[in-house]
Amino acid sequence: NAGVTQTPKFQVLKTGQSMTLQCAQDMNHNSMYWYRQDPGMGLRLIYYSASEGTTDKGEVPNGYNVSRLNKREFSLRLESAAPSQTSVYFCAIEHREFYEQYFGPGTRLTVT
Amino acid sequence: AQRVTQPEKLLSVFKGAPVELKCNYSYSGSPELFWYVQYSRQRLQLLLRHISRESIKGFTADLNKGETSFHLKKPFAQEEDSAMYYCALTGNFGNEKLTFGTGTRLTIIP
Repeated sequence: NAGVTQTPKFQVLKTGQSMTLQCAQDMNHNSMYWYRQDPGMGLRLIYYSASEGTTDKGEVPNGYNVSRLNKREFSLRLESAAPSQTSVYFCAIEHREFYEQYFGPGTRLTVT
Repeated sequence: AQRVTQPEKLLSVFKGAPVELKCNYSYSGSPELFWYVQYSRQRLQLLLRHISRESIKGFTADLNKGETSFHLKKPFAQEEDSAMYYCALTGNFGNEKLTFGTGTRLTIIP
């Protein structure tokens, strides 16, 4: 039972390049989230998905797209990376009954 | 709109001394409050939630609705408590999202 997994763990991109961050869960929860973590800014919600096939914008969605094709996976795409997107990205799932979120190990992204 | 404020970005405490990490919130209804912790090179994880009224790793947090606070406390700091701590809030009206504070980095001085 891995819980929440994320790939890749590290990535360096050049400005303008694209990439997709992958998140998968084996806990059978409906809600999945993407956050970015920046020093002094805490965790900010990028997008979330309440259930398979649905997605909604969070606090900082600009420059990102997401896809929830099935219950297990929720991907985050950067179409044209910018240095401002240098951050650590966390995927999380939510056990709504207990209001608890389980986080993945994170992806450290650097855009040069 | 809901908001969580952690006024201290950094906090250093000597080993064995009491620890208090401050958290204040703004929410119009009845909130659910949490403390999450991130140890070095580990993923973010739930430390405790106010509805459970539990003590985890010696930490406790009391919800004070009058002062809209949910401070995290431990009477005697240990070196392994060094970590990043986030206070978080959600409402209990269906699909409300979790709002995090900006975090406090706690360093325990040996």
